[in-house]
Amino acid sequence: KAGVTQTPRYLIKTRGQQVTLSCSPISGHRSVSWYQQTPGQGLQFLFEYFSETQRNKGNFPGRFSGRQFSNSRSEMNVSTLELGDSALYLCASSLSRSPNGYTFGSGTRLTVV
Amino acid sequence: DAKTTQPPSMDCAEGRAANLPCNHSTISGNEYVYWYRQIHSQGPQYIIHGLKNNETNEMASLIITEDRKSSTLILPHATLRDTAVYYCIVRVGRETSGSRLTFGEGTQLTVNP
Repeated sequence: KAGVTQTPRYLIKTRGQQVTLSCSPISGHRSVSWYQQTPGQGLQFLFEYFSETQRNKGNFPGRFSGRQFSNSRSEMNVSTLELGDSALYLCASSLSRSPNGYTFGSGTRLTVV
Repeated sequence: DAKTTQPPSMDCAEGRAANLPCNHSTISGNEYVYWYRQIHSQGPQYIIHGLKNNETNEMASLIITEDRKSSTLILPHATLRDTAVYYCIVRVGRETSGSRLTFGEGTQLTVNP
């Protein structure tokens, strides 16, 4: 079956702009989580959505937001981009209420110049 | 989620078993041990998880000590493609109000020819 699909794979934006990243989970997975990975901070949890509701949030400023649609697809948005937002953004989906693992996408590499 | 401690790096000869240790001395009774790996610039890949019994799948074996304070991931016949950062994560398996994966620094495993 198809894995977790993230688009676009690469993105270059200018400081002050905003960006929207997309994630399509594995069919049947209703939980979608987002992570940011940078060389300095490693992998950090951004937020998790389940049934169109954000049910867990990491320690990121309000410029980072997300949403989930009725088909479980998710988007995350970063407004007023800063140089420090340059990172690999990863999406993971899972079957909720199960100890099974998360399946990650290949990520979106965002570069802010 | 309980904190985990892993060695920062390990080397292994190709074809030999790679044994990656993880300490999780504060693990709770309902927390599972998960292992993921990340090959450079790709999304983390789920390997295996367990609660208290040893587990084996097509990728690896997971040995959890009787007191559950530590575990070892075993790659029985390491190949060059197993070179990656390996993350040991402890978390509650059954989700109720949301969950997240807390990634530490992980172990950089280098498989040498």
